[in-house]
Amino acid sequence: NAGVTQTPKFRILKIGQSMTLQCTQDMNHNYMYWYRQDPGMGLKLIYYSVGAGITDKGEVPNGYNVSRSTTEDFPLRLELAAPSQTSVYFCASSPSNEQYFGPGTRLTVT
Amino acid sequence: AQSVTQPDIHITVSEGASLELRCNYSYGATPYLFWYVQSPGQGLQLLLKYFSGDTLVQGIKGFEAEFKRSQSSFNLRKPSVHWSDAAEYFCAVDPNQAGTALIFGKGTTLSVSS
Repeated sequence: NAGVTQTPKFRILKIGQSMTLQCTQDMNHNYMYWYRQDPGMGLKLIYYSVGAGITDKGEVPNGYNVSRSTTEDFPLRLELAAPSQTSVYFCASSPSNEQYFGPGTRLTVT
Repeated sequence: AQSVTQPDIHITVSEGASLELRCNYSYGATPYLFWYVQSPGQGLQLLLKYFSGDTLVQGIKGFEAEFKRSQSSFNLRKPSVHWSDAAEYFCAVDPNQAGTALIFGKGTTLSVSS
């Protein structure tokens, strides 16, 4: 199993551009999550999904959108990138309570 | 306010010495509790978890943690630290025991000196 994979690993965006961060898991987990990690702040939950077709907001959803059309994929969309969205983004999946994390995407918005 | 607190931002331990990383939470009921480790430039790896039962739990890489209800604590320990243990450590709680959210502490960076 590859586990949780994320693409791209790095990305630089200009203010106002949009992009999609990809996340795929091959463990058949129902639960998937997106977090952002800022220095000294731990991880903050952006969105989560408990199954295909079901998504819900986390602690910091503003400026982001998600969709979950399949069990495997949970893309995160940034519509109008802002400098405040400069961060490291982690996707995770879970069969119930234990979360398994991908390697992260480092995003810089300038 | 509900929160997860890791009081130590940075700890330095000599190789071979013992380690204890502190974690306190403030939730009404006992949440599910986790410790994760993050090596530089990497994702997070689960070290151990506590759901119920025996309050001393064993994890990977020789780590253990003890849940103390009276102190709302879940401290991580290791008897003898190796240089490869240098990393950032995160305590996390699932306050609803529902798998829908993990609340993370801000992390403790561990440095290991020779």
